[in-house]
Amino acid sequence: GAGVSQSPRYKVTKRGQDVALRCDPISGHVSLYWYRQALGQGPEFLTYFNYEAQQDKSGLPNDRFSAERPEGSISTLTIQRTEQRDSAMYRCASSPGMGTQYFGPGTRLLVL
Amino acid sequence: AQSVTQLGSHVSVSEGALVLLRCNYSSSVPPYLFWYVQYPNQGLQLLLKYTSAATLVKGINGFEAEFKKSETSFHLTKPSAHMSDAAEYFCAVSFYGGSQGNLIFGKGTKLSVKP
Repeated sequence: GAGVSQSPRYKVTKRGQDVALRCDPISGHVSLYWYRQALGQGPEFLTYFNYEAQQDKSGLPNDRFSAERPEGSISTLTIQRTEQRDSAMYRCASSPGMGTQYFGPGTRLLVL
Repeated sequence: AQSVTQLGSHVSVSEGALVLLRCNYSSSVPPYLFWYVQYPNQGLQLLLKYTSAATLVKGINGFEAEFKKSETSFHLTKPSAHMSDAAEYFCAVSFYGGSQGNLIFGKGTKLSVKP
């Protein structure tokens, strides 16, 4: 596609459920980033990949959060045993390398 | 630690007036600096970026920003505001120098434009 796509756009789940958020980057982009944005805040870095290798996961808040990019293209961010504090906008970005990051529309997650 | 501070969570200007959105950064190494804009229900869109070339950077939609190392600032300006400029603006910094290129964002400034 022409840009970064994310699905679902909105996700409502109950506390304790697992959720999987998908990011489809711009074709050919080497790097893929995940950010989380709370209301009234700027995006905060979670993790990033170069190709299929996870380069940095220092921003993942705890071990309930994980991400993968098995074939170096689509990535999935998984949150296990969701908690209300996980409610936020989750943003994905891709870049051709050490260059400009292009953002997707985000997934708004609401944990009840 | 690197950080970004955006002064003013809300800025209101009249249509046709100067837009000035402030951004200061803290860094121990030369940074790369960015301004992104977020329209409602849309993703972040890059307005402009500074990557150690010219200190005055021109972006899309008539915006520009000037990198001032002595002031550790990268303020965003536009000479004449348009109604369509109403959005949230984020300043961000990145530190290339290895394989890490994640962005550190400020908290954002919401720009309102009055007719």
